[in-house]
Amino acid sequence: GAGVSQSPSNKVTEKGKDVELRCDPISGHTALYWYRQSLGQGLEFLIYFQGNSAPDKSGLPSDRFSAERTGGSVSTLTIQRTQQEDSAVYLCASSLALRSGEQFFGPGTRLTVL
Amino acid sequence: GENVEQHPSTLSVQEGDSAVIKCTYSDSASNYFPWYKQELGKGPQLIIDIRSNVGEKKDQRIAVTLNKTAKHFSLHITETQPEDSAVYFCAASIQGGNNRLAFGKGNQVVVIP
Repeated sequence: GAGVSQSPSNKVTEKGKDVELRCDPISGHTALYWYRQSLGQGLEFLIYFQGNSAPDKSGLPSDRFSAERTGGSVSTLTIQRTQQEDSAVYLCASSLALRSGEQFFGPGTRLTVL
Repeated sequence: GENVEQHPSTLSVQEGDSAVIKCTYSDSASNYFPWYKQELGKGPQLIIDIRSNVGEKKDQRIAVTLNKTAKHFSLHITETQPEDSAVYFCAASIQGGNNRLAFGKGNQVVVIP
């Protein structure tokens, strides 16, 4: 079946512009996660959605970052007034969240802020 | 919170030899420990996982061992092949963390043909 998809695969933007990154999770997965991966670094947790519960936003690095999940499916991560330090690969993952278990990752969006 | 560390950061092995990567974690309540493989330009993919009620799990050339007392778990790859070259991430579940995982910083494994 279809895995997690993300778009765009690459995004180049100018400093100060806003960007939107999209994630389509696996159908039926109630949990959705966003991570940031800087060059040569591990996965930095950003935000977590689970069903209709309030999202866990504890990993968002600043108020320029926000995310939505509409209808319990597609999610959009928005970065406002982008800075050069925002350049990274943004990964989305989804899971069944019945208990701690496998997270299925998308291919990521590579964001470059000039 | 949970802190996961991986060692070594880079590992080079000759094709056919074994590779071992070790992870330590800090929260004794963690009960789920996956290993992910990330190839260049792709997202991480689960290769093996283990839960706290077992000490070892094998899947063909890959195995994971867990030592709950010492709070460490290791990935073992036998008969390494060039396609095993990748970055490997370990993770540990965060209790009370909304099914979240804490990831290590990753190990670059290079298999030399």
